[in-house]
Amino acid sequence: QVKLLQSGAALVKPGDSVKMSCKASGYTFTDYIIHWVKQSHGKSLEWIGYINPYSGGTNYNEKFKSKATLTVDKSSSTAYMEFSRLTSEDSAIYYCARDYSGDYWGQGVMVTVSS
Amino acid sequence: DIQMTQTPSSMPASLGERVTISCRASQGISNYLNWYQQKPDGTIKPLIYYTSNLQSGVPSRFSGSGSGTDYSLTISSLEPEDFAMYYCQQYDSSPWTFGGGTKLELK
Repeated sequence: QVKLLQSGAALVKPGDSVKMSCKASGYTFTDYIIHWVKQSHGKSLEWIGYINPYSGGTNYNEKFKSKATLTVDKSSSTAYMEFSRLTSEDSAIYYCARDYSGDYWGQGVMVTVSS
Repeated sequence: DIQMTQTPSSMPASLGERVTISCRASQGISNYLNWYQQKPDGTIKPLIYYTSNLQSGVPSRFSGSGSGTDYSLTISSLEPEDFAMYYCQQYDSSPWTFGGGTKLELK
């Protein structure tokens, strides 16, 4: 069955970067886009962007364009998101999801930015 | 950016009740509208895609409708597991945007 398995929680210092992963299984990885979503504590959801694993093409929310970098490793069917120059505002749960329909979601990764 | 206004923000309801959650876009989104359920543990479950199509495994008591700028999610008869947060999301134009959420609570 289709699964998106995300990496574990991260505690990072302000100014550092964090790279999280989303490992896909149960389908042909290059057939569907992967998108990423942020949820700050107690808040709604924010779309960060998506990557097309087949072409490597990306579409970013302008708000996150200088903050997030989306990549994939086709050999391991894994999508990555790197978040740079972290501040307390980046403390949140980050989800990956499949396809425009959002038909499968990862379990989420909690990122805490604290000195 | 397209703003998605979801109403109500919270809704007390009873088991067996029929409920409807609304989502209004700031401009037409050509039916490119998804609905999600989020449980308190953070798990997000997709419910509806492209306005009215049920995701695999979603019970038939869930339905979606709408067009243009106005969309809705209806649960025909509430079950205990339906009390959760619900979000709409448009993917007609970038950036994709979500509604503010509706908390469905047990009355």
